[in-house]
Amino acid sequence: GQNIDQPTEMTATEGAIVQINCTYQTSGFNGLFWYQQHAGEAPTFLSYNVLDGLEEKGRFSSFLSRSKGYSYLLLKELQMKDSASYLCAVKDSNYQLIWGAGTKLIIKP
Amino acid sequence: GAVVSQHPSRVICKSGTSVKIECRSLDFQATTMFWYRQFPKKSLMLMATSNEGSKATYEQGVEKDKFLINHASLTLSTLTVTSAHPEDSSFYICSASGTSGSDEQYFGPGTRLTVT
Repeated sequence: GQNIDQPTEMTATEGAIVQINCTYQTSGFNGLFWYQQHAGEAPTFLSYNVLDGLEEKGRFSSFLSRSKGYSYLLLKELQMKDSASYLCAVKDSNYQLIWGAGTKLIIKP
Repeated sequence: GAVVSQHPSRVICKSGTSVKIECRSLDFQATTMFWYRQFPKKSLMLMATSNEGSKATYEQGVEKDKFLINHASLTLSTLTVTSAHPEDSSFYICSASGTSGSDEQYFGPGTRLTVT
């Protein structure tokens, strides 16, 4: 079966750095997405990786290793507004998005 | 960037009635639209995928006669929850992509449905 694993919840301190991991087992691979979702709102796009390596976008970076079925989202200089759920999703061979359950990130002052 | 709207944002209805939710892509043509539902503190659950002008493809376990999807144009898809029951109360989210599904999905703001 297809599976996306990410931690249920993480806690970090304002101003610090946090890394949210995602491992996947899917039938084929056509890209990995990270989305941010605040409570009661729809997800918003953060990053897309299809090749191995690091993609940096401001305070957020995303890394992919296809051979390991592994990705992480790195958030730097954490702000209180970064408190949200972070969803990892993989496009399989049919271009269908397989979603992880999300990681709830709690930022403390 | 691409914008997707949903209407209504919140709706409360009585058991047995039907509710229609609209999803529109405002500045691009959405070849494919997706409908999700999300329970509190749970991840997104894909309900169906619809391509303009053709019947929707429903995920296993989703009743197509209860959740009617119409993708009438490249900018509009509707989800109708028929004969709603309290267990249908949920957060319904649509998303749209510009090609056959290989592109990023752009999400609407979601619709909170409460059935009393």
